[in-house]
Amino acid sequence: SAVISQKPSRDICQRGTSLTIQCQVDSQVTMMFWYRQQPGQSLTLIATANQGSEATYESGFVIDKFPISRPNLTFSTLTVSNMSPEDSSIYLCSTYTPVDEKLFFGSGTQLSVL
Amino acid sequence: RKEVEQDPGPFNVPEGATVAFNCTYSNSASQSFFWYRQDCRKEPKLLMSVYSSGNEDGRFTAQLNRASQYISLLIRDSKLSDSATYLCVVSSGGFKTIFGAGTRLFVKA
Repeated sequence: SAVISQKPSRDICQRGTSLTIQCQVDSQVTMMFWYRQQPGQSLTLIATANQGSEATYESGFVIDKFPISRPNLTFSTLTVSNMSPEDSSIYLCSTYTPVDEKLFFGSGTQLSVL
Repeated sequence: RKEVEQDPGPFNVPEGATVAFNCTYSNSASQSFFWYRQDCRKEPKLLMSVYSSGNEDGRFTAQLNRASQYISLLIRDSKLSDSATYLCVVSSGGFKTIFGAGTRLFVKA
């Protein structure tokens, strides 16, 4: 499986500010995703990060709030914009291998918004 | 009804016990099934895939019942290090993967 490095691992932010989370993979991967895991909840898919084009967002998530970049096949960023306390969550990037349909995750970013 | 449902627990068991988790899914077209393990404040990690014929990996046994649309995970001889949240994961093909809310396990000495 690919090694996925995600940073920052945690941050405490003031409401109204933005945070950009980075995800670096040690090999080229076709599919990368961003998930959110709110306290006590399971994972929810935010969007698919498409290389060279706009991300594909799931219902309930919009580009203005969660802009995503994917400039190449090994790197992606997720920005949480104009944060509010409701955005406090763990954010996870992941890669997917179509052959066996397995997901692998970065170590996550624990975000707390005051 | 949630697409993937799990008993949230927590399950509190002594070391050496056998514990079983069940998971039900609603989409009969689901194709692939997995159990992931998530430690507190860590990312989920793949524990094992689940096949119709059942599969075993050491102390862990996973089974799939397509007719009843449920998946199970059996842990034998529980260790303290097994304490974690176990996520049932179902895929309907492609990358559309649905996670259950997880079952928390505490193994105590």
